[in-house]
Amino acid sequence: GAGVSQSPSNKVTEKGKDVELRCDPISGHTALYWYRQSLGQGLEFLIYFQGNSAPDKSGLPSDRFSAERTGGSVSTLTIQRTQQEDSAVYLCASSPRLGSYNSPLHFGNGTRLTVT
Amino acid sequence: QQQVKQSPQSLIVQKGGIPIINCAYENTAFDYFPWYQQFPGKGPALLIAIRPDVSEKKEGRFTISFNKSAKQFSLHIMDSQPGDSATYFCAASPFDTGRRALTFGSGTRLQVQP
Repeated sequence: GAGVSQSPSNKVTEKGKDVELRCDPISGHTALYWYRQSLGQGLEFLIYFQGNSAPDKSGLPSDRFSAERTGGSVSTLTIQRTQQEDSAVYLCASSPRLGSYNSPLHFGNGTRLTVT
Repeated sequence: QQQVKQSPQSLIVQKGGIPIINCAYENTAFDYFPWYQQFPGKGPALLIAIRPDVSEKKEGRFTISFNKSAKQFSLHIMDSQPGDSATYFCAASPFDTGRRALTFGSGTRLQVQP
């Protein structure tokens, strides 16, 4: 079946511009996560959504970052007034329910964001 | 307390060797420990996972060893192959009702030479 789809796969933007990154999770998955992977670094948690519950935004690095999940499916991560340190690969993942032993994360291939 | 420390950063082995990647954690609330494998240009994919009620789990050539008292766990790859060349991430999460997103280690880039 279809996996997690992210678009665009690559995005180059100028410093100060806003960007929107899109994630289409696997159909039926109730939990959706955003992570950031900087060059040669691990995965940094940003935010997750679980069903109709309030999202956990505790990983967002600044108020320039925000995310929405519409209709319990598609999610958009928005970065306002981008800075060069925002350059990274942004990964989206979904799971059938909030992370547990029998509910692994399924990752998309990410959006590589480059801020010039 | 949310950190997961992973080592080594990179590892080169010959085909057939047994690379070992180690992780350590501090948060005693963690009770789910997966390993993810990532190939260039792809997202990470679950490789194998363990709960702390067992000390070892094997799936094919991949084995997780878990030491609860030391708060450490490791990944062993038996009879490694060039196709195993990838970046490996350990991770951990608690099973309580609080934040349950995975905390990842910094990754180990493995190269298996033919």
